[in-house]
Amino acid sequence: EVQLVESGGGLIQPGGSLRLSCGASGFTFSTYEMNWVRQAPGKGLEWVSYISSGGSNIDYADSVKGRFTISRDNAQKTLYLQMNSLRAEDTAVYYCATHPTWGGYWGQGTLVTVS
Amino acid sequence: EIVLTQSPGTVSLSPGERATLSCRASQSVTSNYLAWFQQKPGQTPRLLIYDASNRATGIPDRFSGSGSGTDFTLTIRRLEPEDSAVYYCQQYDRSHTWTFGQGTKVEIK
Repeated sequence: EVQLVESGGGLIQPGGSLRLSCGASGFTFSTYEMNWVRQAPGKGLEWVSYISSGGSNIDYADSVKGRFTISRDNAQKTLYLQMNSLRAEDTAVYYCATHPTWGGYWGQGTLVTVS
Repeated sequence: EIVLTQSPGTVSLSPGERATLSCRASQSVTSNYLAWFQQKPGQTPRLLIYDASNRATGIPDRFSGSGSGTDFTLTIRRLEPEDSAVYYCQQYDRSHTWTFGQGTKVEIK
């Protein structure tokens, strides 16, 4: 069974930092491109960041560029999102997700509250 | 960046009826790289359709996707009470960036 489990969320003051993790199991993590998507309370879905299977290609939404860093450890089957200079508008549930053509798996999300 | 506009904002239908949800893109979607998700309150989005018309694993055939270019449709036949949810379309082009529509809320009377 495919599982993605996010962790690391919490309450943080503006300007602070957090690192989110996403642990994967049930599929060959090292061959999958991965993404972070967020959803502010009561709002829609917003793509945040992408990383290729090997980690060499990375992309970010303009709203987080220069503040967030995506990375992965294929040996540990874990995806990361380092979030710096956090703002109130970064408050959201953060999901890790695979590409729709390759299963479209999503984790249960971790809540980040910047206040 | 491709902008996706979904309509209607909310649709209210009775069980057994058909729902037709629209997703219009601001420019042509590469290779019909468009997906549909269902999200119920407090739950994670669930993939229904990928590549415009392919049902994801375990999705009932009451759900179908169609369209190409800039106009895409999700059709839900024989609505059931558990279909009450918000439905999002998503495009995933070759640049690896994703965008989502603003969502359509389906209410079952």
